[in-house]
Amino acid sequence: AQSVSQHNHHVILSEAASLELGCNYSYGGTVNLFWYVQYPGQHLQLLLKYFSGDPLVKGIKGFEAEFIKSKFSFNLRKPSVQWSDTAEYFCAVNLISSGSARQLTFGSGTQLTVLP
Amino acid sequence: KAGVTQTPRYLIKTRGQQVTLSCSPISGHRSVSWYQQTPGQGLQFLFEYFSETQRNKGNFPGRFSGRQFSNSRSEMNVSTLELGDSALYLCASSWTLAGLSYEQYFGPGTRLTVT
Repeated sequence: AQSVSQHNHHVILSEAASLELGCNYSYGGTVNLFWYVQYPGQHLQLLLKYFSGDPLVKGIKGFEAEFIKSKFSFNLRKPSVQWSDTAEYFCAVNLISSGSARQLTFGSGTQLTVLP
Repeated sequence: KAGVTQTPRYLIKTRGQQVTLSCSPISGHRSVSWYQQTPGQGLQFLFEYFSETQRNKGNFPGRFSGRQFSNSRSEMNVSTLELGDSALYLCASSWTLAGLSYEQYFGPGTRLTVT
């Protein structure tokens, strides 16, 4: 079964620091990759997605992610975080070549706290 | 476009009861998925419906069931509630092309508390 690992459970940064959150998945086939964010008291929102093409994808609010197929990774980055980026971030993977092609598997999430 | 809506937003039930949760997808989205979110287990996939048919099912007991209507609205039902069913239940909808679903958009969830 596929799995998604987010090794950082809680990250604390000061404003203007750079951010990188790790995401690794276990499936060797073709995947779609996503990062979602859940701000306090709000519902899950899509930050960015990768289906194919350029492995460096840009999302909303200045976030970007790089798909490295050889490392089964899809790390999320932001050059300079703001206090408003405080939220929980989830990596998700969707297999597109099996009977479970439409099932999103989520990582355990990373809580990001940005100190003003 | 209106987002995914879920009703009710909050529910308190007693062990042994059953509950039905409702989800209205974004207009034009025909795929609806359900997830359970808990602090201990995180986000876990329950099932996905497309054109009134269940296409995928997660690893949950048969007490968890769902259905989808012709207008793509979906309901999920949990029978014989247990304390461990207390969770945030999320619905997500996505557009489809040639049967494949793309990015999912989530609703605010239904917070179920079982006492």
